[in-house]
Amino acid sequence: NAGVTQTPKFRILKIGQSMTLQCAQDMNHNYMYWYRQDPGMGLKLIYYSVGAGITDKGEVPNGYNVSRSTTEDFPLRLELAAPSQTSVYFCASSYWSRGLENSPLHFGNGTRLTVT
Amino acid sequence: AQSVTQLGSHVSVSEGALVLLRCNYSSSVPPYLFWYVQYPNQGLQLLLKYTSAATLVKGINGFEAEFKKSETSFHLTKPSAHMSDAAEYFCAVSAHGGDYKLSFGAGTTVTVRA
Repeated sequence: NAGVTQTPKFRILKIGQSMTLQCAQDMNHNYMYWYRQDPGMGLKLIYYSVGAGITDKGEVPNGYNVSRSTTEDFPLRLELAAPSQTSVYFCASSYWSRGLENSPLHFGNGTRLTVT
Repeated sequence: AQSVTQLGSHVSVSEGALVLLRCNYSSSVPPYLFWYVQYPNQGLQLLLKYTSAATLVKGINGFEAEFKKSETSFHLTKPSAHMSDAAEYFCAVSAHGGDYKLSFGAGTTVTVRA
């Protein structure tokens, strides 16, 4: 049981390039999330999904896009990379039935992205 | 809206000493509160959670936290620090009653001195 798998682990992008961060979970979780983590700022929610075909914006969605065509996968797309997107990105999932108190978030190990 | 504030971005303790990490919350509705731990180069793992069943919550690895409504606090403690407790700790809050989003604090890094 792999849990939440993120690829790649590290990536360096030039300004203006695009890339997709991959996230897959094998726990049949319906909810999936993308967070970014910056030093001293905690984790900020970028986008989330409550099921296949349904996505919504979090606190900091600008410059990102997501899709959820299957229950397992939730890729995050950066179209025009900017230095402000240098961060560590975490994907998480949960099985939401009656709230997070009953199914806490399971996190991947993160993708460290540098934009220069 | 819900939010949490963690007091102190870095805490240094001696091995065997008390670990105390402070978290205060702000919520317009009864909150659910969580503590997560992040070891180097890993994702976050759940330490413990408060869901209104009991104000003193015990978690993994000897950690516990107490919910104090009068002080709007949810501080994390461990009586005796171990070298393996060196990590970053995050307090988080969600709204009572089925909220599916967490708001995280800025985190507190714990170092343990031999």
